[in-house]
Amino acid sequence: NAGVTQTPKFQVLKTGQSMTLQCAQDMNHEYMSWYRQDPGMGLRLIHYSVGAGITDQGEVPNGYNVSRSTTEDFPLRLLSAAPSQTSVYFCASRIRLAGGNEQFFGPGTRLTVL
Amino acid sequence: AQSVTQLGSHVSVSEGALVLLRCNYSSSVPPYLFWYVQYPNQGLQLLLKYTSAATLVKGINGFEAEFKKSETSFHLTKPSAHMSDAAEYFCAVTKGSGYALNFGKGTSLLVTP
Repeated sequence: NAGVTQTPKFQVLKTGQSMTLQCAQDMNHEYMSWYRQDPGMGLRLIHYSVGAGITDQGEVPNGYNVSRSTTEDFPLRLLSAAPSQTSVYFCASRIRLAGGNEQFFGPGTRLTVL
Repeated sequence: AQSVTQLGSHVSVSEGALVLLRCNYSSSVPPYLFWYVQYPNQGLQLLLKYTSAATLVKGINGFEAEFKKSETSFHLTKPSAHMSDAAEYFCAVTKGSGYALNFGKGTSLLVTP
């Protein structure tokens, strides 16, 4: 299994540009989520999904959109990038809805918005 | 709402010394608690988790943590630090209905020769 994969690993955008961060998992996990990591802030939840066709907002959803058309994929869209979205983005997945199960993380996407 | 506080954003220990990373939680219900490690330029890897089965939890790489309800703590320890333990460590708790993790701000561990 490849686990959780993310592309690209690095990206530089100009303010106002749009892009999609890709996330895929091959473990048939129902639950997937997106976090952003900023220095001194830990990881903050952006959006999450409990299954195909179901998404919900996390702690910091503004400026981001998601969709979940398949179990495997959970892309994160930036419609109009802003410098405040410069961050490292992590995608994660988990096998069941129970809170005690481990979340598996992808390697991250480092995004810089100029 | 569940949350965690990590005391100390940076901790420095000598190689071979005890590692102690502190985490206190706030939860209105029995929580699920986790410790994750992040090596430079990598994703997060689970070290250990508490799910109420046992208060002393053993994880990978010689780490362990003890759940203390009376102190609302879940501190991470390792008897003898190795250079390879240098990394960022995150404590986390399930949030809301248990779907998402609520992370602490992280503790950067430096191990000196």
